[in-house]
Amino acid sequence: SQTIHQWPATLVQPVGSPLSLECTVEGTSNPNLYWYRQAAGRGLQLLFYSVGIGQISSEVPQNLSASRPQDRQFILSSKKLLLSDSGFYLCAWRVGTGGSYGYTFGSGTRLTVV
Amino acid sequence: GDSVTQMEGPVTLSEEAFLTINCTYTATGYPSLFWYVQYPGEGLQLLLKATKADDKGSNKGFEATYRKETTSFHLEKGSVQVSDSAVYFCALIGMDSSYKLIFGSGTRLLVRP
Repeated sequence: SQTIHQWPATLVQPVGSPLSLECTVEGTSNPNLYWYRQAAGRGLQLLFYSVGIGQISSEVPQNLSASRPQDRQFILSSKKLLLSDSGFYLCAWRVGTGGSYGYTFGSGTRLTVV
Repeated sequence: GDSVTQMEGPVTLSEEAFLTINCTYTATGYPSLFWYVQYPGEGLQLLLKATKADDKGSNKGFEATYRKETTSFHLEKGSVQVSDSAVYFCALIGMDSSYKLIFGSGTRLLVRP
């Protein structure tokens, strides 16, 4: 079956510390993968997407980076966290083909930078 | 670029009231349209979708019709329940090869008993 895993579920990190969030998918190959962020009380902002290994597109300039070292692995990183990096981070995977495709989201990581 | 605009919340209704959450979009061609729901403390779930003009998506008593002429995809439910309290996001996938899912800002719905 096709599943998406995201961890950790909750994270509290001090300002200036590094970050690594991991997302993996199972049951498919060469998926399109996406990282979204939801700041408190706000909508969903697309941060990065990847259409293949080593291929990363950034949607907004920011303190974060993404990498795709393997076909079904997508990592969100930061060298030094800022308070403004706090939020709910969601990994997503585009499923299906043609006009009937949609997204499946991971369960999310709630990051609090203190 | 492509964008989605949805009505500001919060929307507060009594149980069994009629719900409408407005959503309009800007996109070239014929995007696919979606409604996602986020229950308190949870991730996102697909509620319904429509992939071409005049299609009606429906699920759990919710409906939305893809209106090309008004570039709209309004969410409706005839009789809301307390358990429908959540944040609702309208979204689209455009025609470019990245298949990015573009979200509206979300509308919080609170249903009171």
